[in-house]
Amino acid sequence: NAGVTQTPKFQVLKTGQSMTLQCAQDMNHEYMSWYRQDPGMGLRLIHYSVGAGITDQGEVPNGYNVSRSTTEDFPLRLLSAAPSQTSVYFCASRPTGGQQPQHFGDGTRLSIL
Amino acid sequence: KQEVTQIPAALSVPEGENLVLNCSFTDSAIYNLQWFRQDPGKGLTSLLLIQSSQREQTSGRLNASLDKSSGRSTLYIAASQPGDSATYLCAVRDYKLSFGAGTTVTVRA
Repeated sequence: NAGVTQTPKFQVLKTGQSMTLQCAQDMNHEYMSWYRQDPGMGLRLIHYSVGAGITDQGEVPNGYNVSRSTTEDFPLRLLSAAPSQTSVYFCASRPTGGQQPQHFGDGTRLSIL
Repeated sequence: KQEVTQIPAALSVPEGENLVLNCSFTDSAIYNLQWFRQDPGKGLTSLLLIQSSQREQTSGRLNASLDKSSGRSTLYIAASQPGDSATYLCAVRDYKLSFGAGTTVTVRA
């Protein structure tokens, strides 16, 4: 059981470039989310999805897009990378309903030059 | 807006001492509270999940308490070991998961 898988693990981009961070889970979880983690701050929610075809904004959505075409995958797109988006990005999933714990991927470390 | 605070930001103790990590939150209307461990450069590992109806949860040397009315949770780690050195994060769930900034623990051998 792979859990939550994020790719790539590391990435360096130039300002203005676009890219997609991949996230896949094999636990059939309906709820998926993306967070960013910056030094000295807690994880902040970027976008989340409660099921295929349904997405919504979190605390810090600007500069990011998401889509959810399948239950398994929840990619995060950076439209035009900026140095302020240098961060560690985590994807998480959990079942909807009930009170279940979140499962996190290992993160993608992204540097924007 | 839910605000989660963890104090202290860093803690250093000798091996064998008990650890007490604090988490406070501003809105008591939560579903649950989760404690995570994060090693440097790694992802988050779930340690304990306390439902809103529970007062505490235990796993091995770890015990977490929850007082919703006062907006507080405490993570106790008994007889600390150097392998317990990590950053510990608490997160409360209302409609989303809100995280504290973490407490970085160093256990000295």
